[in-house]
Amino acid sequence: GAVVSQHPSRVICKSGTSVKIECRSLDFQATTMFWYRQFPKQSLMLMATSNEGSKATYEQGVEKDKFLINHASLTLSTLTVTSAHPEDSSFYICSGTSGGHSTDTQYFGPGTRLTVL
Amino acid sequence: GQNIDQPTEMTATEGAIVQINCTYQTSGFNGLFWYQQHAGEAPTFLSYNVLDGLEEKGRFSSFLSRSKGYSYLLLKELQMKDSASYLCAPFWGGYNKLIFGAGTRLAVHP
Repeated sequence: GAVVSQHPSRVICKSGTSVKIECRSLDFQATTMFWYRQFPKQSLMLMATSNEGSKATYEQGVEKDKFLINHASLTLSTLTVTSAHPEDSSFYICSGTSGGHSTDTQYFGPGTRLTVL
Repeated sequence: GQNIDQPTEMTATEGAIVQINCTYQTSGFNGLFWYQQHAGEAPTFLSYNVLDGLEEKGRFSSFLSRSKGYSYLLLKELQMKDSASYLCAPFWGGYNKLIFGAGTRLAVHP
């Protein structure tokens, strides 16, 4: 099956700092990547959709200047949480699809647990 | 919203069968995914339904009724490792993305 990796798996940072999370598709080319956030005992909430080489499309209520997404290649997307605050502490998960439609099966990375002190 | 509704929690006994239901808004509906998520881990793909009927994959099966806006995930011969959350994720025309339900937390007991 398709494999997606994320790095780091866990990160603890001080309030006001920026954190970068990498998402890589290891054995397929991810034409579309998605970034989700999940709070404890809640479902995945889509933050943004990104297609390689173009600007990400953000969901309503997600600040694009705070959550910077770059999808520079078909195997790598990054999410940077700028000026992180304690309320940004969450489980961040990326996924990728290899087909031409973003509703193709999404393969998820293992997630990154962010704790902002 | 898309009115995705699935039970919050279910319990079952090892070796038994459990059915997890999901209902959703039918207008513009295209298809539906089921994912499994263990605590603290990312979701893993289980099944995908577009047409009416049952899709069987080993111990797991998924059913879809497009006209009723209804799907279920059937888990047979339950094992302890099946204790997890099960996420119903329909998608609709015009939305180029999945919308996840809140998930059903299944606890399997000996």
